[in-house]
Amino acid sequence: RKEVEQDPGPFNVPEGATVAFNCTYSNSASQSFFWYRQDCRKEPKLLMSVYSSGNEDGRFTAQLNRASQYISLLIRDSKLSDSATYLCVVNDYKLSFGAGTTVTVRA
Amino acid sequence: EAEVAQSPRYKITEKSQAVAFWCDPISGHATLYWYRQILGQGPELLVQFQDESVVDDSQLPKDRFSAERLKGVDSTLKIQPAELGDSAMYLCASSVRDRDTGELFFGEGSRLTVL
Repeated sequence: RKEVEQDPGPFNVPEGATVAFNCTYSNSASQSFFWYRQDCRKEPKLLMSVYSSGNEDGRFTAQLNRASQYISLLIRDSKLSDSATYLCVVNDYKLSFGAGTTVTVRA
Repeated sequence: EAEVAQSPRYKITEKSQAVAFWCDPISGHATLYWYRQILGQGPELLVQFQDESVVDDSQLPKDRFSAERLKGVDSTLKIQPAELGDSAMYLCASSVRDRDTGELFFGEGSRLTVL
């Protein structure tokens, strides 16, 4: 079983829609969690950290469910510029990246 | 443009040749990482340095890969001999200290194609 698993998508959504996707992790002792964004053929960049109480940053909301060992990312009011691959990152004894979920927002 | 500098941006080589990638992290960042990203997959850690010391190279194929950060600043990743399966993006990242904050700053990467 992979350490970090994501639905690869793609999620094709119209502008203004809400899109949400999850990431599951295998190590129950994982300490912290993050979402990174990676544009096509670009480097990954930190989008947001995921706190136990949940975390909201503008149109983005991240949540953690330790009991079921998954984190989620929700994007409200999608913009064309949100089109990217979203990488889930789990910190146990190292930072482990998921393969990413691709989101495409269409006009 | 990324603050972490990497070169070359693109490299095409034939199998069995030697390849080297260079990375200059953000000034003051003690931790430096080399990741490999195959198309359609997430970045996979190859090696992590804390200053000039290797703290994790468990996933580095040591029979052909080597990495160094001699003065604790810039770093070089070498592959010799290159194999077809090494075709990937090699990403360098740095952080102020260890992974605790989870914020890594990536360079634009070096895309390797092995023919």
